[in-house]
Amino acid sequence: AQKITQTQPGMFVQEKEAVTLDCTYDTSDQSYGLFWYKQPSSGEMIFLIYQGSYDEQNATEGRYSLNFQKARKSANLVISASQLGDSAMYFCAMREVYNNNDMRFGAGTRLTVKP
Amino acid sequence: DAGVTQSPTHLIKTRGQHVTLRCSPISGHKSVSWYQQVLGQGPQFIFQYYEKEERGRGNFPDRFSARQFPNYSSELNVNALLLGDSALYLCASSSLPGQGEGWPQHFGDGTRLSIL
Repeated sequence: AQKITQTQPGMFVQEKEAVTLDCTYDTSDQSYGLFWYKQPSSGEMIFLIYQGSYDEQNATEGRYSLNFQKARKSANLVISASQLGDSAMYFCAMREVYNNNDMRFGAGTRLTVKP
Repeated sequence: DAGVTQSPTHLIKTRGQHVTLRCSPISGHKSVSWYQQVLGQGPQFIFQYYEKEERGRGNFPDRFSARQFPNYSSELNVNALLLGDSALYLCASSSLPGQGEGWPQHFGDGTRLSIL
């Protein structure tokens, strides 16, 4: 069963504005990690941010922040002050501590930043 | 420091052939995972290795196999190639095998495999 859901196939944002990319997940584990990756058209997967299931504070990394709502099982990525170089595919992923050590990815959201 | 390196970058094969893809992890990383990414989809987990032992396997047929060497580099082997094996194959390394929080994986640029 699909465990990571990204409901926005495509998103547009004006340069310098903030944008939120949605991600919901499903797990019965108490211990897990949530990750966001950026994939430009060149293909490489770039790690952006990580949130552990026991972390009480939302993770932040520069212009990226993760809005973690554990009870709702959501882990939305917020990008502030969008730049043209932010245009890419964005993937949400989850890794469960006690489940096969694999990382499951969502279908991705294609973000386009308009000048 | 060098990131995760994969070779070759591109590969063209025909149906029924065999292929070997290679991956060198970030220095100090002992865990290597392999993913298949079909065009338009998110990556799908194939294998994870840690300290030369298989720690996880995704839902892929036995035609797919992998191994990890003493220097922590890894190979992914695919036998009897099918058209559906055409994809970007990504290798990722991390410092932990996955039995704890705080283990982001860092990816290589991938090998783009095309099957004719």
